Amino acid sequence: EIAMTQSPATLSVSPGERATLSCRASQSVSTNLAWYQQKPGQAPRILIYAASTRAAGIPARFSGSGSETDFTLTISSLQSEDFAVYYCQQYNNWPRTFGQGTKVEIK
Amino acid sequence: QEHLVESGGGVVQPGRSLRLSCVASGFTFNTYALHWVRQAPGKGLEWVASVSSDGSKKYYVDSVNGRFTVSRDNSKNMVSLQMDSLGTDDTATYYCARGGCRVDSCSRAWFDPWGQGTLVTVSS
Repeated sequence: EIAMTQSPATLSVSPGERATLSCRASQSVSTNLAWYQQKPGQAPRILIYAASTRAAGIPARFSGSGSETDFTLTISSLQSEDFAVYYCQQYNNWPRTFGQGTKVEIK
Repeated sequence: QEHLVESGGGVVQPGRSLRLSCVASGFTFNTYALHWVRQAPGKGLEWVASVSSDGSKKYYVDSVNGRFTVSRDNSKNMVSLQMDSLGTDDTATYYCARGGCRVDSCSRAWFDPWGQGTLVTVSS
């Protein structure tokens, strides 16, 4: 099983600032890596797939990078609606596995 | 618009069974894999099971293998999760999700879209 480790667990950021979230896989997942956003009481929604491709309707302030084992989600200028929990997920191998999440909170 | 709606959640005693269903609309159902993901209260996401577009391939997380069965009925645009021998650790919101791309376009896919989830509580 591929373990996905996200850091930090919590990120305190002021609106308008940049947020950088990390995700590390225990072995290579190539670029088969997705990022999801989840707000309280809501289902997750896709932000990024194939490590760096923005899903339809996702603002350009969200960007993803990385390959193999190290990945980054960057939110260039945090808006109020971006405060949420973010999960990475590998879909290269079975079982599919998620990171434990990074909570982005208002500083 | 692509849409998934889960149903079947509720309160069940340990050791009992429950069957979840997910009905899809807005896309060609038989060209996508379907997945179940769960989230225990206050916890992260855990993939549970997946079924291929034609139902011939099924995958499970180890913790449910042998207890849960995923199936689909392409004539009804429906995927189901039969959950047997439930334990308190199975308490969670269960989400149905579609593969992010058609099976003829990619062999591995992210999950998109997701349903709104259905809550399963296992308690005596």
